[in-house]
Parts: sequence; structure tokens; C-alpha cells
Amino acid sequence: AQSVAQPEDQVNVAEGNPLTVKCTYSVSGNPYLFWYVQYPNRGLQFLLKYITGDNLVKGSYGFEAEFNKSQTSFHLKKPSALVSDSALYFCAVRDIRATDSWGKLQFGAGTQVVVTP
Amino acid sequence: GAGVSQSPSNKVTEKGKDVELRCDPISGHTALYWYRQSLGQGLEFLIYFQGNSAPDKSGLPSDRFSAERTGGSVSTLTIQRTQQEDSAVYLCASSFIQGSHEQYFGPGTRLTVT
Repeated sequence: AQSVAQPEDQVNVAEGNPLTVKCTYSVSGNPYLFWYVQYPNRGLQFLLKYITGDNLVKGSYGFEAEFNKSQTSFHLKKPSALVSDSALYFCAVRDIRATDSWGKLQFGAGTQVVVTP
Repeated sequence: GAGVSQSPSNKVTEKGKDVELRCDPISGHTALYWYRQSLGQGLEFLIYFQGNSAPDKSGLPSDRFSAERTGGSVSTLTIQRTQQEDSAVYLCASSFIQGSHEQYFGPGTRLTVT
């Protein structure tokens, strides 16, 4: 079984400050990990993914995420937040050996990010 | 097309009526997924299609919900005898079945059952 936890319902940050959105996961094998962003009244947009290789992955809009196997975490980060980053962020995981679920992703509950001017 | 498209964007229906929601995936994507997102909630998996294999229907909440995918492309999600608790945004996504499977989402259909 695979699961994802996003421990914070909401993150508040001032514009220009660093932004971190936390995600921890649980899989029986090795994970594929993803971050998505949802702007109001829009579908989800793919931000970045970790498959293998470097633990720090870079994605769209200046976001990056660090894979930490020992802590089973995949926190999303941005060095300097913008007001336009205010949105709902979802972490997702897939066990690469889960032959019974193929591409089906397990999504976290989402974290609302509010960036104030 | 350039992305996943869904229609209609909004649907208001009376309780007890049937509705059909349409999804047109990215060309070449052989996997297609349906999710439901209720107000303030996360994503609830409903069903997914993988190539020509039997669909995974494990997330469908009741037998009033069904989906089909014709010709390996367009998919229709049907909700029969709609109830007020069916009100939600229905999201469709597609992906390749090889590689890392990142899913690309459509804009969603907002369903309101009155």
C-alpha cells in the first residue's frame, strides 16, 4: 500500500520569504514522487517529479523539492515566494513496483499556500 | 490537442437526473483517470483506464457511477440518478503507461445537483 501525508492544511508566508510545503510518504518499495499545484477554479498542474538520481529536483516556476529517503520526505521549496504562488499544492506518490496499481497515484490532502504582500 | 479537455465546464442538474461528463485526453496518452474533488477536499480516485486492459473501477462510490472509454481515447463518466452529495468538481487526467506516469489534468467539470 502507498500513502502520502501533508501535515499542514495551510502555510502562510510573506512575499520574498522562503516557502516550504511538507510531504511524507509511505511505500513498500521505491517511490515515484510528484508535486502538483492547483490555482482557483483550475485543474492540477504538474510541477516536478522525483524518479531517481539527484535528491534535489527542480521544476516549474522556480520550485524545487528534496527527496530524503531516510526521512521518507519530499518537501517542496521555493527560495523567494511570490503572491502569485498562492494556491493549493498536492504531493503524490506511486510505488514503482506496485504492479497492481500501475500508474495510479496516491495524492495527499493538499496544502493551501497563502503568500501575503 | 495540446492538453486534456473536459466538457462541460459547468453542469447544473436536478436531483434524480442522469449526467454525462466528457474527457478528451492528450493525444498518445494511453492511460486515463477520473477523480472527484469536493469543496475543500483532496482528490478522490474514481476509475482509470490503461490501454486495452480492463479498467480499475475500485474508486467508484456506487453503482450509479460508470465510465467508458471508446477507441482508446475519449472517455465519458456517467452518473445516474444524481444525488446532492454528487456535487463536486470532476477531474480527468491522462498519462503514458511507460516511464514515470506523471498525469496531466484537465480543467474539470463542476457538477451541481440541486
